[in-house]
Amino acid sequence: DGGITQSPKYLFRKEGQNVTLSCEQNLNHDAMYWYRQDPGQGLRLIYYSQIVNDFQKGDIAEGYSVSREKKESFPLTVTSAQKNPTAFYLCASTPSWGGGTDTQYFGPGTRLTVL
Amino acid sequence: AQSVAQPEDQVNVAEGNPLTVKCTYSVSGNPYLFWYVQYPNRGLQFLLKYITGDNLVKGSYGFEAEFNKSQTSFHLKKPSALVSDSALYFCAVRPDMFSGGYNKLIFGAGTRLAVHP
Repeated sequence: DGGITQSPKYLFRKEGQNVTLSCEQNLNHDAMYWYRQDPGQGLRLIYYSQIVNDFQKGDIAEGYSVSREKKESFPLTVTSAQKNPTAFYLCASTPSWGGGTDTQYFGPGTRLTVL
Repeated sequence: AQSVAQPEDQVNVAEGNPLTVKCTYSVSGNPYLFWYVQYPNRGLQFLLKYITGDNLVKGSYGFEAEFNKSQTSFHLKKPSALVSDSALYFCAVRPDMFSGGYNKLIFGAGTRLAVHP
């Protein structure tokens, strides 16, 4: 069963804590993305990775960090420096970075709540 | 600045009636256009995309979208709405590679579709 999995589905964090959101894909896609979704706003790009061992900041990278050590995995860490981390986080992937016609496929999301 | 506008926060339609969800964009070049649907607490599901060719694009679940270059619009349509179509719909645009697009998507804020029995 191919696709993108994200875990956990719900995550609660105390202020000052770092938390890591998991994103795994078995689609053999090169490129992966992290988005943040807030009510009434579209998705905003946090980080993206064109290929293994490479990643780039998106539009709202402050307070977040990522790694891409394996092709299938792109974890996102929400650090204590992120001032307002409560949001719905979505991971996506495409077969390649340069293929402009590629469709982005999304995981089911993780809802992060800061207590 | 490149942007996508979905002018209606919510669209209300009676079941069986046609529906339209509007999208306009401000992007240079010849962008690629996408529609996604999101059900509560779920990820985005791909509905359809326009790359080139026929301006009327058919997608999943009976949805279609019409690309209008002169009006820079890409409205989503369905001839007969179902209650199960009720969800949040996102329009997204990818600038073409000559405008620095690659695979970065620009999303609209979303339109909530409510189909009433």
